[in-house]
Amino acid sequence: NAGVMQNPRHLVRRRGQEARLRCSPVKGHSHVYWYRQLPEEGLKFMVYLQKENIIDESGMPKERFSAEFPKEGPSILRIQQVVRGDSAAYFCASSIGKNTEAFFGQGTRLTVV
Amino acid sequence: ELKVEQNPLFLSMQEGKNYTIYCNYSTTSDRLYWYRQDPGKSLESLFVLLSNGAVKQEGRLMASLDTKARLSTLHITAAVHDLSATYFCAVDGGLTGNQFYFGTGTSLTVIP
Repeated sequence: NAGVMQNPRHLVRRRGQEARLRCSPVKGHSHVYWYRQLPEEGLKFMVYLQKENIIDESGMPKERFSAEFPKEGPSILRIQQVVRGDSAAYFCASSIGKNTEAFFGQGTRLTVV
Repeated sequence: ELKVEQNPLFLSMQEGKNYTIYCNYSTTSDRLYWYRQDPGKSLESLFVLLSNGAVKQEGRLMASLDTKARLSTLHITAAVHDLSATYFCAVDGGLTGNQFYFGTGTSLTVIP
């Protein structure tokens, strides 16, 4: 019973490069959520996706950030032209349905140098 | 925007002592979650509280929810070193479901 799998666990990017973070939800879960955690802070909601659809992206920065959850394959959080302020831990969570318990992955720690 | 406040932010306590962490939130919600996070790790689900008056216990931890007061508590009984971690409460405030609003966390250190 694999839980939420995120990769890579650690990612280093130079300023201006692109970062791609992957999230495979728990088998059978069709709802995926992305959260960002800055050092010494709680998690902040970014986006909620259900297979092939973005349900709520109210927490996503307006520029450079995008997310997708295709019919086949993992969910991808993409950050273009990264800046130092993007350095954070990015957590993915999945749930079997709306308003059900969400399970978190181990996170991807992005460092922008 | 829904706000979730936890206190204290930092808690240092001796083994064997009892203490309570408080979580206040600003708007109506019927679902509140408690998570534990160890340094560099993901969040481990501790409790899901789904109704007013809900009380759940697991080992030395007990969580309760008062939706009328918009308050949840996490009570620690006879603390042990293994409980040292950061504890987050989260409230589901999204209209579309599972848009969790997290508190700032309580960093707990249990001293032998």
